[in-house]
Amino acid sequence: QKEVEQDPGPLSVPEGAIVSLNCTYSNSAFQYFMWYRQYSRKGPELLMYTYSSGNKEDGRFTAQVDKSSKYISLFIRDSQPSDSATYLCASGFYSSASKIIFGSGTRLSIRP
Amino acid sequence: DVKVTQSSRYLVKRTGEKVFLECVQDMDHENMFWYRQDPGLGLRLIYFSYDVKMKEKGDIPEGYSVSREKKERFSLILESASTNQTSMYLCASSPPGQGSPLHFGNGTRLTVT
Repeated sequence: QKEVEQDPGPLSVPEGAIVSLNCTYSNSAFQYFMWYRQYSRKGPELLMYTYSSGNKEDGRFTAQVDKSSKYISLFIRDSQPSDSATYLCASGFYSSASKIIFGSGTRLSIRP
Repeated sequence: DVKVTQSSRYLVKRTGEKVFLECVQDMDHENMFWYRQDPGLGLRLIYFSYDVKMKEKGDIPEGYSVSREKKERFSLILESASTNQTSMYLCASSPPGQGSPLHFGNGTRLTVT
């Protein structure tokens, strides 16, 4: 079992829809969580990161962590065609900068 | 904004060549990383450096070495390139401190023929 699991998609939704992207993780010791967006032929771009359970909002994006169920979510409101990309979740430990585990990514397509 | 710059976007090399991939960051970050990204396998850590001249092996260091002579520059070296090293290579950096997220460059797409 991978430490961070992510449905690869592809996920296709119409413009304006609310998108929900999800990851599960197996190691309850993970302490912080990140979401990255990766456009085709580009490097991953940090979208959001959070250290605790609960919600964190930034514009149209909301990151949610539920440590009790080991579930990480990213919600995108009013989705735009420019949101079409691969979204990667990642989890890490405070004690080790190098021990960051990435999900394999979910490919998202927003239809105009 | 953090800027991580990888010197080449695309490289084509022949089997057996020595290959250098260069990465520079402009935010005075202590930590620098080299990952490779392959379909279905996600991101895998090759090497990590937490200071000048300091390095740690990641999950897949075989066939690679690294050099960090200056804080802002981290080089990945393929001693003798092989076709199974064809991949997207991503450099990243992060500041010290607990829970610092990674900032990535745009990647180098290496093809070994």
